[in-house]
Amino acid sequence: GAVVSQHPSWVICKSGTSVKIECRSLDFQATTMFWYRQFPKQSLMLMATSNEGSKATYEQGVEKDKFLINHASLTLSTLTVTSAHPEDSSFYICSARLALSYNEQFFGPGTRLTVL
Amino acid sequence: AQKVTQAQTEISVVEKEDVTLDCVYETRDTTYYLFWYKQPPSGELVFLIRRNSFDEQNEISGRYSWNFQKSTSSFNFTITASQVVDSAVYFCALTKLSFRQNFVFGPGTRLSVLP
Repeated sequence: GAVVSQHPSWVICKSGTSVKIECRSLDFQATTMFWYRQFPKQSLMLMATSNEGSKATYEQGVEKDKFLINHASLTLSTLTVTSAHPEDSSFYICSARLALSYNEQFFGPGTRLTVL
Repeated sequence: AQKVTQAQTEISVVEKEDVTLDCVYETRDTTYYLFWYKQPPSGELVFLIRRNSFDEQNEISGRYSWNFQKSTSSFNFTITASQVVDSAVYFCALTKLSFRQNFVFGPGTRLSVLP
């Protein structure tokens, strides 16, 4: 199956700093990528939908100025957590939808963010 | 709106027992896809199965089997002769037929298989 990578796989940062997480589709083009957040012992919740060449669509309750999403190419989307705080500590997972496919969506391995 | 319910928060079984994980979904769409994913402690989601709403045939893959019943909006997952390596969190998910549609995940069921 298609491969989606995330970098870094884990990151620890100080409160107030910004962290960038990359999501790459390695062997296919993805016009749409999704960013999910998973708090400990909870399910995955959609944060935003990232569309190549246009602004991301954020879910209700997700601050777009805090979670900056850039989808500059068909294989790369980035999520930047600005001025991170301990409550932003979570597992962030991206997924990439195969272009022109209804259901072929592939998940990255996730990035574990810990904010001290 | 779409919703996925997994009523079992945690299940513990002894190795070699059979276990069924329940999944009930809600959607107004007539065409949709249902999925099961396994999430081991590493966190990475492991794809198990995808089923579209037109295909109600049950499926078996090794020790895994799935029972899809549209009449009750259920998509249950059974592991036969469970093994310790099956210990993980299992998520049922739903997506509608749309290019830009995200997954809606259930709350997950944590399965512990004891030796």
